Amino acid sequence: DQQVKQNSPSLSVQEGRISILNCDYTNSMFDYFLWYKKYPAEGPTFLISISSIKDKNEDGRFTVFLNKSAKHLSLHIVPSQPGDSAVYFCAASAINNDMRFGAGTRLTVKP
Amino acid sequence: DVKVTQSSRYLVKRTGEKVFLECVQDMDHENMFWYRQDPGLGLRLIYFSYDVKMKEKGDIPEGYSVSREKKERFSLILESASTNQTSMYLCASSYPGTSGFSSYNEQFFGPGTRLTVL
Repeated sequence: DQQVKQNSPSLSVQEGRISILNCDYTNSMFDYFLWYKKYPAEGPTFLISISSIKDKNEDGRFTVFLNKSAKHLSLHIVPSQPGDSAVYFCAASAINNDMRFGAGTRLTVKP
Repeated sequence: DVKVTQSSRYLVKRTGEKVFLECVQDMDHENMFWYRQDPGLGLRLIYFSYDVKMKEKGDIPEGYSVSREKKERFSLILESASTNQTSMYLCASSYPGTSGFSSYNEQFFGPGTRLTVL
């Protein structure tokens, strides 16, 4: 039972355009959400997070939006750069609960 | 800079062998985790530990065991390797939360070990 779902296995965008990666979750107890980025042959690295008391968190080119009623979050990358090409994992957690990861979305940014 | 290292990047073993995957972190983190990453399934938690000699089962502990004798080292053991354990194995560590073990803190991952069981 996947509690965190990333329904798009891949996404391709042009350099300079916006990348939007989506994530849905089923467990209403989740109250903290994270995005990780993974390059080939490397472990995932933390990118950005958001607490359920917020609906938006921004860090440079990266913004995460949270819609609690829809149990949906998204990661926006503007403008997208070729170096952003990687697999992006959405993760969710609740206090004293394990972190749960989605299946990942492979983003390709074309020059 | 937090560093999480894993003993091997690539490993090939035969069915039935006992396999040890080692993970070491250098930031004095209390929490350590073992995941496996498979296409379409993302990262699935095998075991975790929030203190020396403590261990907790994750979602898919069957066929695995762990050992944490020192704070910086967390070992994953495949008691009798099988072909369905061919996967990418990722180790991670994190600080605990103010409430003891908490999954709110970001996890720092090692580079992974790609294990092939023939």
